Amino acid sequence: SQQGEEDPQALSIQEGENATMNCSYKTSINNLQWYRQNSGRGLVHLILIRSNEREKHSGRLRVTLDTSKKSSSLLITASRAADTASYFCATAPDTGGFKTIFGAGTRLFVKA
Amino acid sequence: NAGVTQTPKFQVLKTGQSMTLQCAQDMNHEYMSWYRQDPGMGLRLIHYSVGAGITDQGEVPNGYNVSRSTTEDFPLRLLSAAPSQTSVYFCASSYSALQGGYGYTFGSGTRLTVV
Repeated sequence: SQQGEEDPQALSIQEGENATMNCSYKTSINNLQWYRQNSGRGLVHLILIRSNEREKHSGRLRVTLDTSKKSSSLLITASRAADTASYFCATAPDTGGFKTIFGAGTRLFVKA
Repeated sequence: NAGVTQTPKFQVLKTGQSMTLQCAQDMNHEYMSWYRQDPGMGLRLIHYSVGAGITDQGEVPNGYNVSRSTTEDFPLRLLSAAPSQTSVYFCASSYSALQGGYGYTFGSGTRLTVV
């Protein structure tokens, strides 16, 4: 089963609005990462948040992490048509080993 | 820097054929991995390597072999292709083997169809 599960599966918003995507996971983690994938392309790393961090910012991106609820959220502010993509969370369990697990993703469509 | 280079970009195989998907990185990354992406299922880890000469299995290793003779290259071999292996394959690398603590750099993918 997937370690990380994104919610919603799909999201459609107007340009200029904010987009929020959520990720839940099952086991304790070392870190959580968010990636973007444009149609037909490889994934691009957006931001990494470690288990001892609660919030992180990068430009228009804001990521929060709640380890007690085993959940994370990605907020994209003032969205643009170019933000249209799929967004994936990925978790690195702290149980040892080197297996980062990806969720099924949220498809974001930003209408111009 | 080229980053992570995957070849070929597209491939059609007949059931039972074998082939090798190539992956090369020029960033001196320690960690390399292979994922497959199927519709609605995210990415599933096939095999990974934490350094030259060291490989291990991921979630879905059956039907695939890997080796890592150099830091730069991490080829994925399909031993006897099956229609269930139709997928998009991504190679990814990271500076450190420590749980991708620096994030992964992905290649652009190989779209494989097995008929």
